Parts: sequence; C-alpha cells; structure tokens
Amino acid sequence: EVQLVQSGAEVKKPGATVKISCRVSGYTFADYYLFWVQQAPGKGLEWIGLVDPENGKRRYAGRFQGRVTITADTSRDTAYMELSSLTSEDTAVYYCATMDFYGSGSSDFDYWGQGTLVTV
Amino acid sequence: QSVLTQPPSASGTPGQRVTISCSGSSSNIGRNAVNWYQQVPGTAPKLLIYNKNQRPSGVPDRFSASKSGTSGSLAISGLQSDDEADYFCAAWDDSLKGPVFGGGTKLTVL
Repeated sequence: EVQLVQSGAEVKKPGATVKISCRVSGYTFADYYLFWVQQAPGKGLEWIGLVDPENGKRRYAGRFQGRVTITADTSRDTAYMELSSLTSEDTAVYYCATMDFYGSGSSDFDYWGQGTLVTV
Repeated sequence: QSVLTQPPSASGTPGQRVTISCSGSSSNIGRNAVNWYQQVPGTAPKLLIYNKNQRPSGVPDRFSASKSGTSGSLAISGLQSDDEADYFCAAWDDSLKGPVFGGGTKLTVL
C-alpha cells in the first residue's frame, strides 16, 4: 500500500523558517516526482515545487522561488520542504503528493500525504 | 488567483446530473490531460478522473469528464448526498513546467 506520511503541525513566528517532511512507502521513491502543494484556509490548491528523487533535480513555482527549498533523501525515502521568511500569508495546509503527469497524459499513481498545517 | 478557472459553487438535488467546468489555456488544458479531484473538508484531495476520462479503481462510473480545446468539465450523474465536497481540476502546464490547479468548486446537494 502506497503511503505518504507527513510531519506534524507547526506554529511559527513571522520571519521564521519551517521544514516539513514527507516519508513515502509502498513504492520505489526514485520512480516518481514528489510535489508540494499549498492550500490556504478556504482557498484552492497551489503548486509550490517538485523534486525528482532519482537525481535530486528541483523546480519551483515562481511565487515561491527564493524562499523554498525542496530536497529528497533516498536513503530515508523522505522528501523535505523548507519555507523561509514566513508571513501570515503562509498560514496554510501543505501537502506532498505523487501526481503522475507524463507527456500529455497522466496516470492513477496519484497519492497525497495527510497534510501539515503551518500557522504563522 | 488560480491558473485554471472554475465556478466557485454548484448545486443539485439527489439523483440529478451536475457539471463543473474548468477553463485553462493552450499551455495546459489545450495540450495536456485534465485530472479531477474530490476533497472533503479536512482531508487530502482524492483523484477522481485522470488522463482521458479514466477513473481509478473504486471511483463509481457516475463520475465522468470531457475536454474540448482549452476547457474541461466534470459530470456527476445520480447525485448523492455524500458527493457534497469541493472539486478541483488540475493539468500540467508546459510553460510553467509544473501542475496548475483550479480554484475549486463547492458542490452542495440540496
């Protein structure tokens, strides 16, 4: 059974940095991109960035570029998302996910963590 | 402001058919598959439809999707009370090189 298990809720002061983990199991971590998605209270979903665990390559959405660092530790089957210079606008639930978009298609290898609430 | 545009709300009565639209552009829906997700408040999104109107195992065939040009739509037939949830569309964006999402549609079963 595929599972993505995230670290617990965090409360941070403005200007601080938060680091969230996402431990995967039930599949080969290196085989799929790992995405991070933000959902502010009562709002929609917004892509933050992704990491390719196979080679560590990362890509970030423009709005978060410069403030976010996403890494993958294949020895621990765990991905991390670090967000710095926090403001009240970063108060949100953060999800890790394995959405599988390929070429012009997608597959059903689509799993999400339980979400981590970050309160600033 | 979300890259993909969805109506903020939709509603229907039990047994009815409802549709939810999702409008994008040539760099996302115009070229790539649209995924649809269901999210019950307080839980993670759950994949309902992927690729060309395919459903993951366990998703009933009351849920279907279509795409035309730069727009997609989700249809739910035989509406049930437990269909009440938020629905999101998503697609890969070739310009942004990442996924983009709709703002979500809150479905109310009257």
